[in-house]
Order: sequence, then C-alpha cells, then structure tokens
Amino acid sequence: GAVVSQHPSRVICKSGTSVKIECRSLDFQATTMFWYRQFPKQSLMLMATSNEGSKATYEQGVEKDKFLINHASLTLSTLTVTSAHPEDSSFYICSAPTGGDGYTFGSGTRLTVV
Amino acid sequence: SQQGEEDPQALSIQEGENATMNCSYKTSINNLQWYRQNSGRGLVHLILIRSNEREKHSGRLRVTLDTSKKSSSLLITASRAADTASYFCATTITGGGNKLTFGTGTQLKVEL
Repeated sequence: GAVVSQHPSRVICKSGTSVKIECRSLDFQATTMFWYRQFPKQSLMLMATSNEGSKATYEQGVEKDKFLINHASLTLSTLTVTSAHPEDSSFYICSAPTGGDGYTFGSGTRLTVV
Repeated sequence: SQQGEEDPQALSIQEGENATMNCSYKTSINNLQWYRQNSGRGLVHLILIRSNEREKHSGRLRVTLDTSKKSSSLLITASRAADTASYFCATTITGGGNKLTFGTGTQLKVEL
C-alpha cells in the first residue's frame, strides 16, 4: 500500500536554529501533503497544505515565514521550522491523500527545542 | 480549527467491556473517519463512513453516523488491553476538498 516515510523521527535542536522535516511518498505520487502539529495529549491541528509545484496554503494563525513548506517534487515535501523556540516543541506529522477517500500518514517527528 | 469534539475526553474500562466514543462536528461533511494513535506514534486508519451511510462494521468496531445530529459514534466491543490508545474522528467537509480535520480525541485505557 501507499507509504509516506517521514524523517527524522526525533530531533533535538537549540533555540534559534532551523530544523527540516522530510516526508517522502515511497510508492505513489503525492501531489498534496498535509502537515499537522500535535501538542501532548491534544489533537492534530492542520498547519498547512502543500501542493507540488505551487505555494503552500497555510491555516489561519500559522506563520508561513516560520514554517517553510516546500513541495519540490511529486515524492517529497518538506517542513522547515525556522528560528525554533521551545514553544515549537511538538509532534509534527504529514499526511498524503492516496486516492478515493484514503490517506496515508507519516510516522511523525518529535521536535524538542532546548 | 477543530471540526469535531469528542466525548468522553478519557475513558477507562476493564478488558472485555465495550467502549463507546462519540464525535460531534459542526459543518456538512463528505465522510467521517476514525483513527487510532498509540502514545507518541503515527495514526492508524480504522474505518470510514460516508455521509450517505448510517452504520458500518469492521471486526470489533462499529461506527454509526447521524448527519441530522452531526454526530458519530465508535463502539469497540470486547475490548482488549491492546486497544489502549487515543481515538480521533476526522472529517472532510463539503466544499473543503480533501482536507482532513481532526476531532479532539478520546483517550481510552483498557485495564486487565
């Protein structure tokens, strides 16, 4: 079945640095990728939608200059958290529609900013 | 923004009992899905129910959908300790394309 590979699974970075998270579709072409953020014991909040070859669409309240999304090819979407701060520490997860009503999710990235 | 609110927020039951979780949503939907998430991990798709369906079954899972009340329920029968996880409903809304919006979630604990 359709698989999205997400890396890294865990990352610790210093405050002020940038972190890149990658999601690759392994056996299908993902024209769209959804990026979610999840704080502990909370639900998944949609941050943005990336579309191959065009600008990402951000949800209200999400800073597009802080969370840079690139969807350079049909198999790769990236989220870069720029100038990370401790409050950006969270679980980030990507998801791609797989046709019909299906979705496949990455395994998530646990970001800790110290 | 959150499309769905789930209740209860947390549920603790004994192994063998049934667990029922409810999801209420705000706007007209195309379909509603239920997902499971073990602590700190990715999501597992459980079941999808379309807006023109009222009930679906999959193994020990039973999902109902009442579009007039904008609500859905997930029933897990004969629960097992391995069912301990967080459960989320998620919807695609009418006119919203394929954007999937999650509910607030129910944390289920099944004790031996």
